[in-house]
Amino acid sequence: EAGVTQFPSHSVIEKGQTVTLRCDPISGHDNLYWYRRVMGKEIKFLLHFVKESKQDESGMPNNRFLAERTGGTYSTLKVQPAELEDSGVYFCASSLGGTSTDTQYFGPGTRLTVL
Amino acid sequence: DAKTTQPPSMDCAEGRAANLPCNHSTISGNEYVYWYRQIHSQGPQYIIHGLKNNETNEMASLIITEDRKSSTLILPHATLRDTAVYYCIVPGHPFTGSARQLTFGSGTQLTVLP
Repeated sequence: EAGVTQFPSHSVIEKGQTVTLRCDPISGHDNLYWYRRVMGKEIKFLLHFVKESKQDESGMPNNRFLAERTGGTYSTLKVQPAELEDSGVYFCASSLGGTSTDTQYFGPGTRLTVL
Repeated sequence: DAKTTQPPSMDCAEGRAANLPCNHSTISGNEYVYWYRQIHSQGPQYIIHGLKNNETNEMASLIITEDRKSSTLILPHATLRDTAVYYCIVPGHPFTGSARQLTFGSGTQLTVLP
């Protein structure tokens, strides 16, 4: 069974540009999460989808970040316009169910560098 | 989330058991304890989780004290590839809205020495 996949693995962009990250969850997992780790900081929750609906977006830092999950399958996270402080590693995770007893499985992450 | 406390770093000799402690004194009765690890810059990897009873899988064992205020992750025969940051996480009550957010904290940097 394929795990969570993320694309691209690395992205280098200039300040002010737009970047879109993609996450493909494990097949059949209705719950999808985005996390990120900025330099020197801890991994932080961004948001949680249940199918195509945003269940919890309390961790989204500002309105430059837009997450979508059209059709309830893969998800995209767009950063527009990117700022220097957005550099870090963005992780996606998925789980079968939506309670805290359902294990979240993580993808390899996308390393974003904003110059 | 119930707050967890872990030592910042530990060393372990290759082939020996690695015992990683975690305190979660504010845990409530329905909250699970999860362990993840992050090897270098890879994505966090799920290891094991438990509620009350001790658990074992192919990767590790989890020992939870009777009062559930602390737990220990045991890697029975540590290898160099087990060098990673280990996170003890209590996601929260199963039926609360914020229960799905995993709070990673700083974790324990385990270094397995040859």
